[in-house]
Amino acid sequence: DADVTQTPRNRITKTGKRIMLECSQTKGHDRMYWYRQDPGLGLRLIYYSFDVKDINKGEISDGYSVSRQAQAKFSLSLESAIPNQTALYFCATSETGDEQYFGPGTRLTVT
Amino acid sequence: QKEVEQNSGPLSVPEGAIASLNCTYSDRGSQSFFWYRQYSGKSPELIMFIYSNGDKEDGRFTAQLNKASQYVSLLIRDSQPSDSATYLCAVGDSGYSTLTFGKGTMLLVSP
Repeated sequence: DADVTQTPRNRITKTGKRIMLECSQTKGHDRMYWYRQDPGLGLRLIYYSFDVKDINKGEISDGYSVSRQAQAKFSLSLESAIPNQTALYFCATSETGDEQYFGPGTRLTVT
Repeated sequence: QKEVEQNSGPLSVPEGAIASLNCTYSDRGSQSFFWYRQYSGKSPELIMFIYSNGDKEDGRFTAQLNKASQYVSLLIRDSQPSDSATYLCAVGDSGYSTLTFGKGTMLLVSP
């Protein structure tokens, strides 16, 4: 079984809808991260968490929120999706904060 | 704003040749440096990390770090078509909490 899983893997939604992307890990890492990847812009950090009570904004947190339900689960929400949030979203985990291990990604399309 | 710069490529090399990928970074306080490989539509995969000036070798891969010049490189010896991918350079912050990624260099290895 994969160490880091993301659901759904693909999602098409309409402008204005609320959507949640979920990430689960079995690596036992405390640190979890959400990134988005856009062609030509690379990977950009949205939010990160060092434990269930420690949530931090990344470079591009506007329009997003997160929830750390447990050590193993970190969810990303788009409260009111807009087309420029169409992207590939990755969850990552880390034991130490530097070596990070990525999930398979969620391809989100907002129409 | 921390920046990590990479040539977008594509870098084309023949099978068996040495591929040289380069990266520069802006934050002099950075302590950790990573190379990720990403196949099209897949998640980034950690292939090398380096913390000290000099060279670090792992199989066909060698990472090189020069902190004075703020320069990191990845050499791939005996390049194979299966090495064709986008290579992401990532730099850790001084607090070992987050990574800043470059936009990646596409490598194409022709048979």
